[in-house]
Amino acid sequence: DAKTTQPNSMESNEEEPVHLPCNHSTISGTDYIHWYRQLPSQGPEYVIHGLTSNVNNRMASLAIAEDRKSSTLILHRATLRDAAVYYCIRVEYNFNKFYFGSGTKLNVKP
Amino acid sequence: DVKVTQSSRYLVKRTGEKVFLECVQDMDHENMFWYRQDPGLGLRLIYFSYDVKMKEKGDIPEGYSVSREKKERFSLILESASTNQTSMYLCASSSIPPLIGRNSPLHFGNGTRLTVT
Repeated sequence: DAKTTQPNSMESNEEEPVHLPCNHSTISGTDYIHWYRQLPSQGPEYVIHGLTSNVNNRMASLAIAEDRKSSTLILHRATLRDAAVYYCIRVEYNFNKFYFGSGTKLNVKP
Repeated sequence: DVKVTQSSRYLVKRTGEKVFLECVQDMDHENMFWYRQDPGLGLRLIYFSYDVKMKEKGDIPEGYSVSREKKERFSLILESASTNQTSMYLCASSSIPPLIGRNSPLHFGNGTRLTVT
C-alpha cells in the first residue's frame, strides 16, 4: 500500500507544541515525505518536506526516523489558525505521484 | 505566487449528464492532477498528466476521463454523472524539479463541490 497512516484527530492547547505522527512503513529509498495542511473551504497547502534528515522552515519542523518508516511534523507553538487537517504523503522522486492518506484533524483550544 | 483556478466553486448536475470540470494553472507546470475528496477517505487521485496530451490513471479512474490539450489547462470529464460522484473535486499542479532532490510541491485550487441529483 502506497499510502501513509495517521491518527484521525488530535487536540492541542494554544501556544503549546504539537507533534503530529505519521507511519509510512512501505516507503522506498527514493520517496520523499511531504506534509500538507487543509484549512476549511480551501485546497491543501504545502507545509514541509524531507528525505532523510530533519528539516526546519518558518512553518514547522519535520523529524524523520532513522529507518524512515515514520515521521513527525512539529508545530512549535500552535495557534488557532493552525486548526486544520494535516496530511502526510509519500512522493515519488520524480514528483509526479503524491499518495494522500485520510489525514489528522488538529483541533487547537484557546 | 502560483495560481490554480477551478472554473466553478459549486455545481449541481442531474444523473446522466455529461459534466466538465475545468482547471487552469498560470505557472507553466508540467504536472497536473485531479483528486476527489470525501469524508473519511481523504484525497484520492483520479488522473494525472505529466505533459500535454499525456495522462495516467490514478487510484479511482472509473467513470472519469481527462483532457489536456494545452499545458495550462486540465479538464476532468464525467461522461454520465452518477450520484456516487457527488464529491469535492480538487485540481493541483506541480513542476518537474530541475535537480533530483529539489522541492516541487503541489499547488491546489480551492475545489469544486459537485452535487449529482
